[in-house]
Order: sequence, then structure tokens, then C-alpha cells
Amino acid sequence: GQQLNQSPQSMFIQEGEDVSMNCTSSSIFNTWLWYKQDPGEGPVLLIALYKAGELTSNGRLTAQFGITRKDSFLNISASIPSDVGIYFCAGQKTGANNLFFGTGTRLTVIP
Amino acid sequence: GAVVSQHPSRVICKSGTSVKIECRSLDFQATTMFWYRQFPKKSLMLMATSNEGSKATYEQGVEKDKFLINHASLTLSTLTVTSAHPEDSSFYICSASTHRSGYTFGSGTRLTVV
Repeated sequence: GQQLNQSPQSMFIQEGEDVSMNCTSSSIFNTWLWYKQDPGEGPVLLIALYKAGELTSNGRLTAQFGITRKDSFLNISASIPSDVGIYFCAGQKTGANNLFFGTGTRLTVIP
Repeated sequence: GAVVSQHPSRVICKSGTSVKIECRSLDFQATTMFWYRQFPKKSLMLMATSNEGSKATYEQGVEKDKFLINHASLTLSTLTVTSAHPEDSSFYICSASTHRSGYTFGSGTRLTVV
């Protein structure tokens, strides 16, 4: 299947710090989505990106759809303890119905 | 917003028995539902895609006779793990999609086969 690689795999940061994580693919996607998953729960959508170059914010979160359509990044500013969780990128191809998920970035925020 | 209810959230069953997991879209009609499997500290792996009233499409390597999917209505899809074995223990997550709501995920089902 398609492989979406996320980096870093895990992060330990101090509360208040900013966070940046990336998602790259060898394939082109026409939609990029960023999800957060808490332990024992399903993923929850954070941000959806539909156009190459698009930069979208949702509160302290900002994500961009790469110009090449093969990558995306997610930034979290002024992290707080409840930001702890696993962040997944997901891509959707033109004409396809399903999502391909990234390998995930596990975020730990130290109070 | 769109809500997907998945039930049960946890289930423990004996080897050889079957387990049914339900996925309901509560306030919208889902034209398509997806079933994922997630191993500890791993990503979500798509198992199958189901469209209401038709047979599910399984991903390569997923046994259709073991993981039976029924999508009888626009608001309900079920995944039945038949003759479960310990290696089937995992976290199973459903997702429902519509053109308007995008993808909404259930809260997952932790299956433990003993």
C-alpha cells in the first residue's frame, strides 16, 4: 500500500514550546488531513487541506499542503498538556474513496 | 457535527468464538464505511471498504471469510470477527464518510481474544 512517512516518530517537549511535524509521500495526494488520536480512542480531525500550497489554521494549529502535493506539515504553537497524543497525517488520492494514514508522531508535553 | 458511534468499546472473547462490532452514523447517512485495524503504537491499516447494499471490498491480505462485513443500511455497518484467535486481538476502528461530512471515525473497539 501507500506509505506516508511522518517525522519525527516521537517528541518530548516542554509546555509552552512550539511543535512541528512533517508528513511525506512518494505519491501525489489531492487532499491532506491531520488527525489526533488519544489512547483508546478513534482519530479526531484537526485540519483538512484541499489545495497545493494551502495554509490553514485551527486555533493553535497550522498546517500546510506542500506545493509538490507529496508532503504536508503541522505546527502546534504554545503547546499545552492536553496536546499529548498521536498525530497522524492522512492522504486521499483523486477518485479514491479511502484514506492512507501516516506512520504517526507521538507527542509528549512535559508540564 | 457528524457523529459515529462504535460499539462495544471493549470486548474479551474466548478463542474460537465470533465477535460482532457495530458502527453507526448517528446524525447522517454514510454512503461508505471503512474498517481499520491498529496494532499497538502503529498506524491505522485499512481492512475493508463497504458501501451500503453491496459487498465489501477487502484490502490485500485481509481474509474476507474471517472478517465479515455487513452494511445493511446507510447508518449501520458491522464487522464480525469469526472464529477469533489471539492474533486477532487488536484495536478496530470504523469510519463513515459522506461527500458533505468527510471522514468521521468511531471511538474504536479493543478486542482481546483469550
